[in-house]
Amino acid sequence: EDKVVQSPLSLVVHEGDTVTLNCSYEVTNFRSLLWYKQEKKAPTFLFMLTSSGIEKKSGRLSSILDKKELFSILNITATQTGDSAIYLCAVMGGAGSYQLTFGKGTKLSVIP
Amino acid sequence: EAGVVQSPRYKIIEKKQPVAFWCNPISGHNTLYWYRQNLGQGPELLIRYENEEAVDDSQLPKDRFSAERLKGVDSTLKIQPAELGDSAVYLCASSVTNGKLFFGSGTQLSVL
Repeated sequence: EDKVVQSPLSLVVHEGDTVTLNCSYEVTNFRSLLWYKQEKKAPTFLFMLTSSGIEKKSGRLSSILDKKELFSILNITATQTGDSAIYLCAVMGGAGSYQLTFGKGTKLSVIP
Repeated sequence: EAGVVQSPRYKIIEKKQPVAFWCNPISGHNTLYWYRQNLGQGPELLIRYENEEAVDDSQLPKDRFSAERLKGVDSTLKIQPAELGDSAVYLCASSVTNGKLFFGSGTQLSVL
């Protein structure tokens, strides 16, 4: 059975801190790994990773994939209160190759 | 560009009543997904369509849930009869094949 495990499940930090969110996976026919930010209901897309070792960056957020060790990390530097959200990791693959399996998410709270 | 549109935003019903959700995907997106998200969990796939064909409905509780995407564009998800445990957020998403998913704002269902 395909599995995506995120850690930690929740995290409280102060503004300005740097955080690292983890995602490990076991999935057949891996195609890609995606990170989403969920503030209210609709998850919004952050990154899509398909190759190992290539860091994707967007402002203060960055992510990298290790296909050998089957994990990814999402880094957020200089955190702001607006970064407070649930961060979801999802892996596309599986028996049908286009299944997207989500982890439970990491709830990040950034306090002033 | 219009995003994925879902309605209604909220629905409160009594158990054993029927309920239906509607989704209009992004124009040109051939793949449409219905996910269910319980509190504190990641989204779980209910059904995935490629155009009008349901290519993955293995997680859809077929005794009470049904879905259709008749013309390969918008879709409806129905529950009949609803049970207390169906209370959740129902998310619709769309994508081009193998592409990143774009989510709608979801429908929050409360079954009393």
